[in-house]
Amino acid sequence: DVKVTQSSRYLVKRTGEKVFLECVQDMDHENMFWYRQDPGLGLRLIYFSYDVKMKEKGDIPEGYSVSREKKERFSLILESASTNQTSMYLCASRFRNTEAFFGQGTRLTVV
Amino acid sequence: AQTVTQSQPEMSVQEAETVTLSCTYDTSESDYYLFWYKQPPSRQMILVIRQEAYKQQNATENRFSVNFQKAAKSFSLKISDSQLGDAAMYFCALISNFGNEKLTFGTGTRLTIIP
Repeated sequence: DVKVTQSSRYLVKRTGEKVFLECVQDMDHENMFWYRQDPGLGLRLIYFSYDVKMKEKGDIPEGYSVSREKKERFSLILESASTNQTSMYLCASRFRNTEAFFGQGTRLTVV
Repeated sequence: AQTVTQSQPEMSVQEAETVTLSCTYDTSESDYYLFWYKQPPSRQMILVIRQEAYKQQNATENRFSVNFQKAAKSFSLKISDSQLGDAAMYFCALISNFGNEKLTFGTGTRLTIIP
């Protein structure tokens, strides 16, 4: 079975902190994605990556950056967390011509 | 740019009845995939069904089937014999089969099952 693991299920951070959300997949998938999920807005794409060290902006990249140094790991970075980044964050990975597999989500609260 | 639209924020259905969730999309590509995902209260996103655009036959998975209308860019999900465990958020999603693909989701439909 494909496994996508996000480092934390719940996280509470203070405004201005640098926050790292980690995602690891075990199936050698090329593509990895970071989304945020907010009520009424669905899943909005923040960044995605199609290979090591490659990244593309999604629909809402402002305030975020990403890192993909190894194929299995895709990190989302909030350089200076703000309260409007309080949300559910979902990571996904995918091999071409297949569906995406998701992690369990991280509910981030910025206070 | 590709878009996915789910116009029904909430739906409800009696247990054992049939319900249809709507999804429309827009893309300039001719080869793409469409998906329906389910997200129960556990938050884990689960694939319900997938459809490849070049296949004319509608996909089915047990009680779940789709009505794929490529020309109309419509992709609805039909759930037959609804069960309590079907209660969840349902998301429609689209990805192109070319290049470095962006997986785009709709805003979701919350499905309630009435016992």
